[in-house]
Amino acid sequence: LAKTTQPISMDSYEGQEVNITCSHNNIATNDYITWYQQFPSQGPRFIIQGYKTKVTNEVASLFIPADRKSSTLSLPRVSLSDTAVYYCLVGPYNFNKFYFGSGTKLNVKP
Amino acid sequence: GAGVSQSPSNKVTEKGKDVELRCDPISGHTALYWYRQRLGQGLEFLIYFQGNSAPDKSGLPSDRFSAERTGESVSTLTIQRTQQEDSAVYLCASSEKSGYPTDTQYFGPGTRLTVL
Repeated sequence: LAKTTQPISMDSYEGQEVNITCSHNNIATNDYITWYQQFPSQGPRFIIQGYKTKVTNEVASLFIPADRKSSTLSLPRVSLSDTAVYYCLVGPYNFNKFYFGSGTKLNVKP
Repeated sequence: GAGVSQSPSNKVTEKGKDVELRCDPISGHTALYWYRQRLGQGLEFLIYFQGNSAPDKSGLPSDRFSAERTGESVSTLTIQRTQQEDSAVYLCASSEKSGYPTDTQYFGPGTRLTVL
């Protein structure tokens, strides 16, 4: 199964770009990489998804190198409201189990 | 439109009692997921339904846990003889298709279970 590893926490300041990396060394050919954001006392919500190279939407960018063994979520110009836990999810090996990473707690300071 | 709803939002019970947690997915969503989140921890996958069928129940922590789904709609997660280690937030999610990796999971607000 494609387990993932992320930093436990990160600190940043308002206006900075934040990059959070997720390692998934045994990613399978059919696996996609998805990132979710979770605020306190809420369920996670979808941010971005990709398979290879780069994906960008109105919220973030996702960079995936050619070997796909890692991925980097990039948040441009963060604000205090981006303080949350960010989870990396890699598409399940057998479609019947779903593993989120341990999550990275991002703390944005003024 | 309406999102995923869960009930109750909070449940306090005594050790040894049974509890039933309910999830109402987004209408028309085929796939439904249950996760557990202990305080300050990440998401622990419990079970996934493809329609009304759960292909793999091995994620359930023990035989005290069971889940069912009817009419490709409502799902219930039942915990029998609750223990203090069952205290956690139980999150439900649904997705449009049958669990394909590209599906976006839409989460409910969770049920906070406290076992005294």
